[in-house]
Amino acid sequence: QVQLVESGGGLVKPGGSLRLSCAASGFTFSDYYMGWIRQAPGKGLELISYISSSGNTLIYSDSVRGRFTISRDDATNSLFLQMNTLGAEDTAVYYCARTNIRARRTFDYWGQGILVTVSS
Amino acid sequence: EVVMTQSPATLSVSPGERASLSCGASQTVGRNVAWYQQKPGQAPRLLLYGASTRATDIPDRFSGSGSGTGFTLTISSLQSEDFAVYYCQQYNNWPLTFGGGTKVEIK
Repeated sequence: QVQLVESGGGLVKPGGSLRLSCAASGFTFSDYYMGWIRQAPGKGLELISYISSSGNTLIYSDSVRGRFTISRDDATNSLFLQMNTLGAEDTAVYYCARTNIRARRTFDYWGQGILVTVSS
Repeated sequence: EVVMTQSPATLSVSPGERASLSCGASQTVGRNVAWYQQKPGQAPRLLLYGASTRATDIPDRFSGSGSGTGFTLTISSLQSEDFAVYYCQQYNNWPLTFGGGTKVEIK
């Protein structure tokens, strides 16, 4: 079955960095576009980054562009999010999600989420 | 950016009743709208895409309609497991955007 497992979250000071990882299994990872979506405490959903199956198309929200970098390693079925210059506004649960192959900009499987807290 | 507005913010419904949730787009998005369900402490679950196509294993009590700027998610007969927050998402334009959610609670 499809599984997505995030890791790498935690508490970080303002201005710091974190690298999130997402281990994928149960499907042919290299065939799928993937995304990172976050949810601030008690708030709604925000797509922050998206990567094509080839890795050639990278999309970022305005809120993270220039600070976050998405990447993938198809050899290890892994998705990554390098987060730099973190601020309090980045505090959220971060979800790794697989796109729906029938509608590539929707997300049919999600990880359980990982909490990132930015605080001094 | 396309702003997605959901109403009502909270919907109180008795089990077995019908629930209708609305989602409006600030500009036309064709039929490129998806709906998700999220329960407390869980990740969202894709219910519908293309405004009305059910995702894998989604029961037929969930249906969707609409095009352009107005969309509706209907749950025909609410089951206990359906009490949750529902989000719409447009995927016609970048950035992809979500609505603020409608919480369906037990009346």
